[in-house]
Amino acid sequence: GAVVSQHPSRVICKSGTSVKIECRSLDFQATTMFWYRQFPKQSLMLMATSNEGSKATYEQGVEKDKFLINHASLTLSTLTVTSAHPEDSSFYICSAKEGQGNTIYFGEGSWLTVV
Amino acid sequence: GESVGLHLPTLSVQEGDNSIINCAYSNSASDYFIWYKQESGKGPQFIIDIRSNMDKRQGQRVTVLLNKTVKHLSLQIAATQPGDSAVYFCAERSGGSYIPTFGRGTSLIVHP
Repeated sequence: GAVVSQHPSRVICKSGTSVKIECRSLDFQATTMFWYRQFPKQSLMLMATSNEGSKATYEQGVEKDKFLINHASLTLSTLTVTSAHPEDSSFYICSAKEGQGNTIYFGEGSWLTVV
Repeated sequence: GESVGLHLPTLSVQEGDNSIINCAYSNSASDYFIWYKQESGKGPQFIIDIRSNMDKRQGQRVTVLLNKTVKHLSLQIAATQPGDSAVYFCAERSGGSYIPTFGRGTSLIVHP
């Protein structure tokens, strides 16, 4: 099946710095990618939908200037957490939709810890 | 607002037993449902899906039942194994949207 890869799987950064998480579709072209955030023992919360070559659509309550999303190619989307704070510590998961299909494939997630 | 939720946050079973995980949804426009398995520290894995024009679908050791009358969805796992221990999420899509809305999740613990 299709594979979606995230990197890094774990990252620790200092408060006030920025960190970038990559999401790659390895064997298909992903016209649309999604970014989720998940706190421990909670469900996945959709942060934004990213379409290749256009601006991301953010869900209500998600700060677009803090969570920068770039989808510059059909196989790569990046999420940059700017000026990170400890409350941004979370599990970030991306998913990707292949072309005109309906199936969505999830990445393995990236743990962010801000100290 | 409309939401997808789960009845039981934690389910403990013995290895070899059958497991039933339940999910209630409130959006009457939901027309596609998906069950995901999420192991600790990993992303969700697709298990099985069902469209609203069906009431039952079977996979390998898993069965999904849909009762649209009471807006209830269940995942049945036969002969549960320790490797089935994970958090299970139901998700729904509606109105042609391809973005799944996730429910709260149920933690399944399988005791050997």
